[in-house]
Amino acid sequence: AQRVTQPEKLLSVFKGAPVELKCNYSYSGSPELFWYVQYSRQRLQLLLRHISRESIKGFTADLNKGETSFHLKKPFAQEEDSAMYYCALYGQNFVFGPGTRLSVLP
Amino acid sequence: DAGVIQSPRHEVTEMGQEVTLRCKPISGHNSLFWYRQTMMRGLELLIYFNNNVPIDDSGMPEDRFSAKMPNASFSTLKIQPSEPRDSAVYFCASSPGGTVAEQYFGPGTRLTVT
Repeated sequence: AQRVTQPEKLLSVFKGAPVELKCNYSYSGSPELFWYVQYSRQRLQLLLRHISRESIKGFTADLNKGETSFHLKKPFAQEEDSAMYYCALYGQNFVFGPGTRLSVLP
Repeated sequence: DAGVIQSPRHEVTEMGQEVTLRCKPISGHNSLFWYRQTMMRGLELLIYFNNNVPIDDSGMPEDRFSAKMPNASFSTLKIQPSEPRDSAVYFCASSPGGTVAEQYFGPGTRLTVT
């Protein structure tokens, strides 16, 4: 069975502080992992995927197969990062986590 | 390109009525996905098509739900009869290269069944 968990429903940080959005998964095979983001009044969109190993808008995420995690990190949060973030896994099919709402305070 | 187009954007209907949601994927994309989003269950994949063929419909909640993709530029999700627990936001997404490629989401249809 596939499962994605995001333990925090809401995460609040101050501008300039580091931020880490946690994502853990369960899947017996080799998954593809993604982070999607939904800004206020905008469509859900891809932020990054683990196979690209890229940094988007200052965010990075490393797949840790030992810990079955794919945490999203940014060293210095900005107010415009406030949004809903979803971790997603593709194994046998596509599964989204419940999402974490990030609020960056001024 | 206008992106993925969904209609209607909002739908309010009474229990027992038939509801049809529509989606136009991005031209050239060969995969299409239907999702349902609720506060309780989050974002759930209902069904996805590849080259107009349904590949996985294991997420379709019950027989009241059906989805079709008669051609590469159009898909429908139908609920008949609708029930209050079907109230949710329904998203359509398309992808150029199957499930592992980036999915482009539509704006969603907010369905309210009274």
